[in-house]
Amino acid sequence: GQQLNQSPQSMFIQEGEDVSMNCTSSSIFNTWLWYKQDPGEGPVLLIALYKAGELTSNGRLTAQFGITRKDSFLNISASIPSDVGIYFCAGRPVGPVLTSGTYKYIFGTGTRLKVLA
Amino acid sequence: DTEVTQTPKHLVMGMTNKKSLKCEQHMGHRAMYWYKQKAKKPPELMFVYSYEKLSINESVPSRFSPECPNSSLLNLHLHALQPEDSALYLCASSQDRGRGGNSPLHFGNGTRLTVT
Repeated sequence: GQQLNQSPQSMFIQEGEDVSMNCTSSSIFNTWLWYKQDPGEGPVLLIALYKAGELTSNGRLTAQFGITRKDSFLNISASIPSDVGIYFCAGRPVGPVLTSGTYKYIFGTGTRLKVLA
Repeated sequence: DTEVTQTPKHLVMGMTNKKSLKCEQHMGHRAMYWYKQKAKKPPELMFVYSYEKLSINESVPSRFSPECPNSSLLNLHLHALQPEDSALYLCASSQDRGRGGNSPLHFGNGTRLTVT
């Protein structure tokens, strides 16, 4: 199925460093979601974005909905070992709304983060 | 703890077996989803139920049969699976806010399925 371009694919960082990752698309989106997935568990919602230019924080995490509506960014400040995991973006493309408001989210390819203590 | 509960956590089945995966949510969400996730890959949408009616079937083989008995429960019936069907099966739910409504997906912890 369709996937979003997410980068970097993986990254190793030192504890305390800041992390940045992004998702890009050739299509316009009207919702962006960011998830973290730990091994053996389901994705956990971190941040949801609904408006172009929106900047939202959740603790040390900050995400932005790109002005062009074709991208989104996630930043993690002062990383700690428990930040390790796979981060996925998910976007809802602009298009026909299905019956009853159900809709598809397209997922990014994921960024695997490893934090070195 | 996730508010979407999936059972069993692990399942091993032979290619001739019939088994079912179960999902339950009590958040009042009216849309429920099945996703399949292979290792190191993003989740792939399989089915969407809205108000207990099948809304989306992403051309999933008939050996996977979804069922939504009520707004809180979602099942996935499995029959005659292939080894390549081994994966993490994730259930998700979302608030259905009608046309144009945006609501994030809330995932369960999944069922790790192995087909032998």
